[in-house]
Amino acid sequence: EVQLVESGGGLAPPGESLRLSCAASGFTFSNYAISWVRQAPGKGLEWVSTFSGGEGNINYADSVKGRFSIFRDNSKNMLYLQMNSLRVEDTAVYYCAKGDTVTTLGYFDCWGQGILVTVSS
Amino acid sequence: IVMTQSPATLSVSPGERATLSCRASQYVSSNLAWYQQKPGQAPRLLIYGASTRATGIPARFSGSGSGTEFTLTISSLQSEDFAVYYCQQYNNWPPGTFGQGTKLEIK
Repeated sequence: EVQLVESGGGLAPPGESLRLSCAASGFTFSNYAISWVRQAPGKGLEWVSTFSGGEGNINYADSVKGRFSIFRDNSKNMLYLQMNSLRVEDTAVYYCAKGDTVTTLGYFDCWGQGILVTVSS
Repeated sequence: IVMTQSPATLSVSPGERATLSCRASQYVSSNLAWYQQKPGQAPRLLIYGASTRATGIPARFSGSGSGTEFTLTISSLQSEDFAVYYCQQYNNWPPGTFGQGTKLEIK
């Protein structure tokens, strides 16, 4: 069974940092793109970042570029999101989502349960 | 690219048919997915390739369309189908372009 489990969320003041983790199981991790998608309270879904499988191409939404870093450890089946210079508008539930292929452009066929990040003073 | 879903809220009685629309501002071929999200839960993939049901999705869910106009139809609504539905295109950059969602509520 494909499973994604996020951890590492919580409360942080503006300007500070948090690191999210996503533990994957049930599939060959290195063969698939894995993404972070967030959802602000009461709002829709917003793509944040993707780390492709294979060659490992990395892409970010403009809203987080330069502040967030995505990285993965294929030996541990783990994906991470380092969030620096946090802003109030980064407050959201962050989902780890598995892509349907190795490439960045695709749909999301499995989602984690989500982890809440609250940025507030 | 902008994905526009309509209506924002749809009120339908159990047992009736629901039709949800999604329009892309640019051509996306058949690279369109639909997701269902219930309160407090993660999104769940329903449809990909505009019309292919994901594993375990009941046959009452069907998708159609190509190019820029797409439809999700739920043929006979069950109580568990009342949720928010999102479309997502994956033909053009950026990869996760979602619509704003349609809330399907009980009439």
